[in-house]
Amino acid sequence: EVVLTQSPATLSLSPGERATLSCRASQSFSTYLAWFQQKPGQAPRLLIYDVSNRATGIPARFSGSGSGTDFTLTISSLEPEDFAVYYCLQRTSWPWTFGQGTRVEIK
Amino acid sequence: EVQLVQSGAEVRKPGESLKISCKASGYTFASYWIGWVRQLPGKGLEWMAIINPHDSDTRINPSLRGQVTISADKSISTAYLQWSSLKTSDTAMYYCARPETNTAMARYWGQGALVTVSS
Repeated sequence: EVVLTQSPATLSLSPGERATLSCRASQSFSTYLAWFQQKPGQAPRLLIYDVSNRATGIPARFSGSGSGTDFTLTISSLEPEDFAVYYCLQRTSWPWTFGQGTRVEIK
Repeated sequence: EVQLVQSGAEVRKPGESLKISCKASGYTFASYWIGWVRQLPGKGLEWMAIINPHDSDTRINPSLRGQVTISADKSISTAYLQWSSLKTSDTAMYYCARPETNTAMARYWGQGALVTVSS
């Protein structure tokens, strides 16, 4: 099973600041990594798929990068609606696994 | 418009059985895998199982093997998740989702169904 470790667990930032979220995998893979945003009481929302592709309707301030075992989600300038929990997901091998999440909170 | 509409919240006692559903619309149901994701209270996400409605090929997370059954009825475009004997530890929010093939994309999700198991 591919274990994904996200860091930090919590990120305290102010609107307008840059957020950098990390997702480290226990095994190397190249493509099938996605990022989701989840707000309280809502289903996860796809932000990024296949490492760096923005899903339909996702603002350009969200970007994904990485390869091998290290992947990053960057939010270039936080908007008030971006404060939420973010999860990475690997679909390179079954069982598909999520990271434990990073909470982005208002400082 | 693709939609996944789940059945409502359920309350059961330990040892009881349960089947929850996810009705798909807006696409050809048999052409896409569909699956279930669990979220324990206050915790993260876990992909439980997936099924190909075309031929009922399934994958179950090894951590859950024997505990749940996934099925689909392509005649009514509906996927199911079933327990024969619930435990209190099954209390969680359950989401259905449609994973695309040959990509990490999973854009379509149901609204979630809260299952509470309590004596």
